[in-house]
Amino acid sequence: QQKVQQSPESLSVPEGGMASLNCTSSDRNFQYFWWYRQHSGEGPKALMSIFSDGDKKEGRFTAHLNKASLHVSLHIRDSQPSDSALYFCAVSESNYNVLYFGSGTKLTVEP
Amino acid sequence: AQTIHQWPVAEIKAVGSPLSLGCTIKGKSSPNLYWYWQATGGTLQQLFYSITVGQVESVVQLNLSASRPKDDQFILSTEKLLLSHSGFYLCAWSGGARNYAEQFFGPGTRLTVL
Repeated sequence: QQKVQQSPESLSVPEGGMASLNCTSSDRNFQYFWWYRQHSGEGPKALMSIFSDGDKKEGRFTAHLNKASLHVSLHIRDSQPSDSALYFCAVSESNYNVLYFGSGTKLTVEP
Repeated sequence: AQTIHQWPVAEIKAVGSPLSLGCTIKGKSSPNLYWYWQATGGTLQQLFYSITVGQVESVVQLNLSASRPKDDQFILSTEKLLLSHSGFYLCAWSGGARNYAEQFFGPGTRLTVL
């Protein structure tokens, strides 16, 4: 049973556009939320974390968390071709050593 | 700066043969270490984690085992490979001091079981 669902499965945006990715979890024990990005053939790299309700902005990336609905989103403004990658939402419970990854969203930014 | 190295880069193995994959972290003492498996284009599934030498916790059973013989080394192995073991194996580390520590991933090992 997948504990973390992401949507859409794939997304295509023009260069300079806004990309919006969604993530919903099914377990109210989840406390810590991350967004990771993985370019083809490489290991994932953390983009940002969010642990409190509301928005968190880091450069062109903004994450929004609503713990009541177990929903976290990632918005990428001014998308660049280098942003083309697999994006994963990852969540953990109180045992932070166990990380559950979502199903992933494949983002393509077209020049 | 910390560096993470995985070996081998890629392996092609026969069903039923043994496997050993390795991971070494340099520049970080007493890291928390993790093994993940990823099907091609799929999500990451955490397999094991270790917070200290000699201690490994299993997250999911996939007929694999892990060991941490040294502070900076994590080994993933099995005596008999299955076709379902094919995929991308990733090692990661975290500082472990905080309960929200970021995990840093290695470059991965691509395994093909025939």
